[in-house]
Amino acid sequence: QKEVEQNSGPLSVPEGAIASLNCTYSDRGSQSFFWYRQYSGKSPELIMFIYSNGDKEDGRFTAQLNKASQYVSLLIRDSQPSDSATYLCAVNLSGNDMRFGAGTRLTVKP
Amino acid sequence: KAGVTQTPRYLIKTRGQQVTLSCSPISGHRSVSWYQQTPGQGLQFLFEYFSETQRNKGNFPGRFSGRQFSNSRSEMNVSTLELGDSALYLCASSLVDSYNQPQHFGDGTRLSIL
Repeated sequence: QKEVEQNSGPLSVPEGAIASLNCTYSDRGSQSFFWYRQYSGKSPELIMFIYSNGDKEDGRFTAQLNKASQYVSLLIRDSQPSDSATYLCAVNLSGNDMRFGAGTRLTVKP
Repeated sequence: KAGVTQTPRYLIKTRGQQVTLSCSPISGHRSVSWYQQTPGQGLQFLFEYFSETQRNKGNFPGRFSGRQFSNSRSEMNVSTLELGDSALYLCASSLVDSYNQPQHFGDGTRLSIL
């Protein structure tokens, strides 16, 4: 089992819709969770991080964490074509060891 | 505040050669992590340095090594290059250590092996 798993996509949503990106992780001791956005040919850019169970909102982005079920998700409201990118889920495993998922490619169609 | 700076941006080498990549973290950041990114394998963790000490290491052969200096700048070395080493090498820094601290990435060094 991979340590961090994401649906590779591609995920396609129409402009203005909600995009939902999911991630599961294997290490129950993991404490911190991050979402990065990576445009083609660019380096990953931090979007959000979450440490506690529940929701965390920042503008159009909401991160959701459920440690009991070992999943973390990212919701993008009012999706824009500029949101089209690969979204990487990262989990800091117990032992201070960061692991990334393979990424989900999102396409927002005008 | 300047971001993470990686040099060089692009590098072309041949098999058997060695290469050294450099990373200057964000001012005040003491943890530096290195990753290899390829289309097939995604983002793979190489190692993490904090206060000049390697704290974590991924599953890469010993040809991949690194070090960190007292000013937190870090270098990564790959010896006896193989075709499969062609990749984007990313450096990321975080404030104190990578635990619970977001990592911020540089633009990367794209290494091509001929």
